[in-house]
Amino acid sequence: GQQLNQSPQSMFIQEGEDVSMNCTSSSIFNTWLWYKQDPGEGPVLLIALYKAGELTSNGRLTAQFGITRKDSFLNISASIPSDVGIYFCGDATNKLIFGTGTLLAVQP
Amino acid sequence: ETGVTQSPTHLIKTRGQQVTLRCSSQSGHNTVSWYQQALGQGPQFIFQYYREEENGRGNFPPRFSGLQFPNYSSELNVNALELDDSALYLCATPGGTGETDTQYFGPGTRLTVL
Repeated sequence: GQQLNQSPQSMFIQEGEDVSMNCTSSSIFNTWLWYKQDPGEGPVLLIALYKAGELTSNGRLTAQFGITRKDSFLNISASIPSDVGIYFCGDATNKLIFGTGTLLAVQP
Repeated sequence: ETGVTQSPTHLIKTRGQQVTLRCSSQSGHNTVSWYQQALGQGPQFIFQYYREEENGRGNFPPRFSGLQFPNYSSELNVNALELDDSALYLCATPGGTGETDTQYFGPGTRLTVL
């Protein structure tokens, strides 16, 4: 079946650094979603991408829908401690399928 | 704030028992999806309800069932609980029109099966 692979699995960075994570799929997507999840809470939608090549920003966050429609990246600039959490990519082409997640830890 | 609420926030049950989890949305959307998130994993799609009928199901056994009510609130029922059912259960409603739109999640119910 369809698989979403995220990398890296985890990241440990200093406050102020930029972060990049990506997601790849074994099949073509129509919609890419990026979510952030804090411990014990539900995922919160960060960015939604609907077109191949689309580049969208939300504050310090930037995400792109790959031209091949099989990948996406999420960048966070000038990280702050509250960026800590698990970031998931998701495919909403049919029913929402989540990637494996990237754990981000930010040291003040 | 997504406007999606879930109850209870935490629940402890023992093997073999049955559990009912609840979800409601301020937007009153006619589609609701349920997900199971085991510790350290991404949410897994259980099923979706659209206008009170099941509209798609993930790889979960029949002892996972659901209901959607005319006011579009929803329940997830799990019978014959197993230890592996311990997880965070999330419901979600779309942010716009159509099934493939973005999903907005509630805070979840943490179920522990002993």
